[in-house]
Amino acid sequence: AQSVTQLGSHVSVSEGALVLLRCNYSSSVPPYLFWYVQYPNQGLQLLLKYTTGATLVKGINGFEAEFKKSETSFHLTKPSAHMSDAAEYFCAVSGEGEAALIFGKGTTLSVSS
Amino acid sequence: DAGITQSPRYKITETGRQVTLMCHQTWSHSYMFWYRQDLGHGLRLIYYSAAADITDKGEVPDGYVVSRSKTENFPLTLESATRSQTSVYFCASNGGGTDTQYFGPGTRLTVL
Repeated sequence: AQSVTQLGSHVSVSEGALVLLRCNYSSSVPPYLFWYVQYPNQGLQLLLKYTTGATLVKGINGFEAEFKKSETSFHLTKPSAHMSDAAEYFCAVSGEGEAALIFGKGTTLSVSS
Repeated sequence: DAGITQSPRYKITETGRQVTLMCHQTWSHSYMFWYRQDLGHGLRLIYYSAAADITDKGEVPDGYVVSRSKTENFPLTLESATRSQTSVYFCASNGGGTDTQYFGPGTRLTVL
């Protein structure tokens, strides 16, 4: 069975600092990996996804993530945090032939000035 | 409007009542999904549908019923609501495979 673990339910950074949100997965099949962002009282919006090919994936709003098979990780980073990045972030996994996503429990990112 | 919509956005009901949450998408996506979001649990899949008249259970299907008579609609019914079903419900759709899932704005349901 597939699962996703997001380390740290809450991450706080200063504006301009590096953002690092951690995600580890377990999967018995080649995984497809996703990061979604949720702003207050809104639905989820895709930040980026890894399916095949290049393991460093660039997404919207300056975020990127690297698929590391040996570490079963897909950590999300952004070089310089902005106040508007404050939101909840979800890592998710699916497998080939599987339609539904398995989500992690989420990480709330706070950005202080 | 194009996209995926949910109604109502907010609903308060009482234990034992039947409640139906509506989901409508305009992309003609083949796949549709229902998730519930609870603090500390992230999003958990309730049911999904691969096409009209094809539905399948997810991780937490008990107490819920779905139908899909038309490609664009995927209603979720709580036949006899319980307090444990108080949650935020999200509908999503995609074209299948690794296609991005697009999420609706959510329905916040409170069961008293």
